[in-house]
Amino acid sequence: GAVVSQHPSRVICKSGTSVKIECRSLDFQATTMFWYRQFPKKSLMLMATSNEGSKATYEQGVEKDKFLINHASLTLSTLTVTSAHPEDSSFYICSARVGLRTDRAHGYTFGSGTRLTVV
Amino acid sequence: AQSVAQPEDQVNVAEGNPLTVKCTYSVSGNPYLFWYVQYPNRGLQFLLKYITGDNLVKGSYGFEAEFNKSQTSFHLKKPSALVSDSALYFCAVRRLHYGGSQGNLIFGKGTKLSVKP
Repeated sequence: GAVVSQHPSRVICKSGTSVKIECRSLDFQATTMFWYRQFPKKSLMLMATSNEGSKATYEQGVEKDKFLINHASLTLSTLTVTSAHPEDSSFYICSARVGLRTDRAHGYTFGSGTRLTVV
Repeated sequence: AQSVAQPEDQVNVAEGNPLTVKCTYSVSGNPYLFWYVQYPNRGLQFLLKYITGDNLVKGSYGFEAEFNKSQTSFHLKKPSALVSDSALYFCAVRRLHYGGSQGNLIFGKGTKLSVKP
């Protein structure tokens, strides 16, 4: 249980175009979704936290107008990279919190990631 | 500020030997600690977590971790490594709630585990 489906797994786009990444919670309601970015051989850096029905909270240094996050329903959160540039190339991962009860096996569940390459 | 440190970029182990991947943390209050594994171009898979209770936590795929409060450590261990254990391992701590934050995970930089036959 508690599966997050992330699509696409891999995308190549031209500079200046926009790319949308979707994360869907398949068997639970994700009121909160975290969006991370992972650089090669680096850790995951939190970009923003999205809450269903409200504006996302962005981490310091993350451009909210460039990385648009929408969390319109309890099962879908999207990240849109607008006017993409080569430096936006990265691995993007979403994560939903599935509960903090100690008897739950998973406090957090992750999507499988999206490899974005901007050419 | 909360943080997690993984002092080793890479750990090399022979198959069948025990392995340890180190993690230390810095938090105020009681930590919620996690270990995840990542295979190339994939998301993170949960291995185990420590919330409260026994200091020795057993997780998936034969992994375990020991919470040591005095040393602020949460090292990942396995008695006998497999080649298939080769992957990137992340230690994480949950960020405390504040100002409406929903408590995301703060990750260490990751440790690449290489198990040779």
